[in-house]
Amino acid sequence: KNEVEQSPQNLTAQEGEFITINCSYSVGISALHWLQQHPGGGIVSLFMLSSGKKKHGRLIATINIQEKHSSLHITASHPRDSAVYICAVSGGGSQGNLIFGKGTKLSVKP
Amino acid sequence: DVKVTQSSRYLVKRTGEKVFLECVQDMDHENMFWYRQDPGLGLRLIYFSYDVKMKEKGDIPEGYSVSREKKERFSLILESASTNQTSMYLCASTLAGRNIQYFGAGTRLSVL
Repeated sequence: KNEVEQSPQNLTAQEGEFITINCSYSVGISALHWLQQHPGGGIVSLFMLSSGKKKHGRLIATINIQEKHSSLHITASHPRDSAVYICAVSGGGSQGNLIFGKGTKLSVKP
Repeated sequence: DVKVTQSSRYLVKRTGEKVFLECVQDMDHENMFWYRQDPGLGLRLIYFSYDVKMKEKGDIPEGYSVSREKKERFSLILESASTNQTSMYLCASTLAGRNIQYFGAGTRLSVL
């Protein structure tokens, strides 16, 4: 069993829809990360959170430590949000190692 | 802004060739990582380094080696490339004690 599980694997939405991507993990963590990878490869960090909720523009990330679950929400989705969204967890320590989920491929149609 | 630069975006090599993938970061980060990314498998850690001349195996080190002679540069070496090493390779770096990793743009390697 993977230590970080994401769902769904693939998601197609119409422009304007509210989108939720889920992440569950089975290990102890110091923080959870949401990353975005656009076609072409580059990965950027969207959020790092260890409790509660964070918001940046139309993106909202929440985490429930007791349930070992996090969600990434996109409000008023747009075709430019089409990307792979990756959940990763870090267990602390100075080396910064991450354990990655397999990613959710999001396609937003106009 | 942190910049992590990978030497090539696309690379085509022949089976048996020695391949060097270079990664340079400009923010004095202690930790550097090499990953490969394959459809359905996600990102898998090949090697990481937490200091100059230090290296640790990740989850899939077989067939790879690394070199870190200077703090800013971390090289991934395929001693004898094989077709199953065709993949997207991503480099990342982070400060010691910090978890946010900064990624390069990736190198898409094809081994024919």
